[in-house]
Amino acid sequence: DAKTTQPPSMDCAEGRAANLPCNHSTISGNEYVYWYRQIHSQGPQYIIHGLKNNETNEMASLIITEDRKSSTLILPHATLRDTAVYYCIVRVLLGSGNTGKLIFGQGTTLQVKP
Amino acid sequence: NAGVTQTPKFQVLKTGQSMTLQCAQDMNHNSMYWYRQDPGMGLRLIYYSASEGTTDKGEVPNGYNVSRLNKREFSLRLESAAPSQTSVYFCASSEGQGRNQPQHFGDGTRLSIL
Repeated sequence: DAKTTQPPSMDCAEGRAANLPCNHSTISGNEYVYWYRQIHSQGPQYIIHGLKNNETNEMASLIITEDRKSSTLILPHATLRDTAVYYCIVRVLLGSGNTGKLIFGQGTTLQVKP
Repeated sequence: NAGVTQTPKFQVLKTGQSMTLQCAQDMNHNSMYWYRQDPGMGLRLIYYSASEGTTDKGEVPNGYNVSRLNKREFSLRLESAAPSQTSVYFCASSEGQGRNQPQHFGDGTRLSIL
């Protein structure tokens, strides 16, 4: 299984962009990178995912390096409500089927400050 | 749009008691999952159901059983609760089995076994 490495914590000023890095140097060619976040006492919330190309949605942007060994999640204008634990996940196959399981690591605790 | 709904939100059991955790999704998803989250250990997959009528073991299935009641509902049963099963349980669903299909989570059931 591909493993991910993230810094344990980061701070960001409210209104500024938050850039959260992730290393996944053992990722396989057909494995997707997913980002989730978990706000205290809530369930994990899906943010974005990608394979090779950069992706953008209403919540965030995902930048994946050309060699796919690392990625960065960008929250363009962080708010206090973005304070959460952010998980970078490589989705892998499970069993003989094609259902992927999510391997959650320790994540990055992002603290957005006023 | 409720997404994934879990009941109950909180429960306290005595060792040896049985209980069923309920999960329902309204997104017409084919695949459903049960995870547990323990401090310092991230989320671990207990069981999953790739499609209606099928269930398979995940990483930590011992002590649990599941039922895919229909396409919407996926329940997790503890036949004889043990203190080691004290955890937060999350149900998730995804449109299909592919690695390009994100899982969406409920807000969890907080279970304490005394």
